[in-house]
Formats: sequence, C-alpha cells, structure tokens
Amino acid sequence: RKEVEQDPGPFNVPEGATVAFNCTYSNSASQSFFWYRQDCRKEPKLLMSVYSSGNEDGRFTAQLNRASQYISLLIRDSKLSDSATYLCVVNRVSNTGKLIFGQGTTLQVKP
Amino acid sequence: DAGVTQSPTHLIKTRGQQVTLRCSPKSGHDTVSWYQQALGQGPQFIFQYYEEEERQRGNFPDRFSGHQFPNYSSELNVNALLLGDSALYLCASSITGLASTDTQYFGPGTRLTVL
Repeated sequence: RKEVEQDPGPFNVPEGATVAFNCTYSNSASQSFFWYRQDCRKEPKLLMSVYSSGNEDGRFTAQLNRASQYISLLIRDSKLSDSATYLCVVNRVSNTGKLIFGQGTTLQVKP
Repeated sequence: DAGVTQSPTHLIKTRGQQVTLRCSPKSGHDTVSWYQQALGQGPQFIFQYYEEEERQRGNFPDRFSGHQFPNYSSELNVNALLLGDSALYLCASSITGLASTDTQYFGPGTRLTVL
C-alpha cells in the first residue's frame, strides 16, 4: 500500500464547477501536509499548506482530518487555468524532512 | 531573486553510462533535496543534503550518490544507468532551522532519457 494515496482521475469538469480531491495517508506520524500543483512537464509548485483547522485561499479550500488520516482540496468556480495535476504531499518530519507525494490527481476544466 | 536552477534541462544517455545533474538552490536556502519522478507518478525522494552531508535517504540503490558544495549547490550522480532510470529529476531547496516553514521549492528539473 502506498503511503499517500490519491484517485488519479482524470476529473473532467466544466468551467464554473466545484470539484473536490481527496487523499489518504497511512503514517500517523506525519506532521505537515501540503497540496502542490504540477503543470504538464513542469515542476511541482506549492499551492497551499493544510492545517487541522482548515484553510482557504481564494477559490481553494484545504482540510485535514488527522483522526481519519484524510486530506481534501476543494476548488470552487473552476477556471480553464486550473487544469493541472494536483499532488497531495505529507512530511513526516517538520522543517525540511523528506516529502512523500501521492500519485497526483489530474484535473481538466473544459469550456 | 533567482529561484532554484538545474542543469542540464535534458539529457540522453545509454545503459551503463554515468550521469551528473546539477542544482543551485534558491538564494538564502541551505538544504537541497533530490526527487525522481517517473511518468505518471508523483516525485519520489532520493536524498537530502545539508551542511555538505547526506542527511536523509530514500529507497534508492547506491548507484545514486550526491554531493553538496560550500555554496550550498548540489550534484546528483547516477552510475551504471538502467532503462528504468529514465525520469524527471527534481531538485528542491529549503531552509533548515527556520521554524516557520518547511516549504520546499522545486527547480524545473532535468529530464533524463536512458536508451
């Protein structure tokens, strides 16, 4: 079983739709949680960190449930430019430990 | 402010050869991590360098080795290349000891093809 699991998709949604991605992690010692975005043939870029209290950045909302070892990302009012692969990432050791990536979930937003 | 840079951008090698990839971290960063990303997969941690020493290592064979220089730049060396080593190699930089962040910033990667 992989340490971080995501549904690879692809998720095909129309512009303006709300889409949710889920991720589970197996190591309860994980300390830090992130969503990264990766465009085709480019490097991953940090989208947002994820906190137990939940956090929001514009159209993006991330949630963490430590008891269920579950992370989510909600994108509201999808734009064409949101099309990318979204990587769920955990870090067992805060402050520059090694990042464990999920396989990534591909999102295609259609006009 | 220059971000993380990597060279070369693309590389083609044949089985059995050796390769060296290079990374310069973001200004002010002292820690470099290397990842391998196969097609359709998420990046996998290879190792991390801090204070010119390997601090952590992922599940990669000894054919993968690295180095960090006093200016914090780093090299990844792969010996005896296999077809399965074909991948995007990503370098990420960060700051150790800064409690407020454990964010890693990625370079554009080196795409290695082994024939």
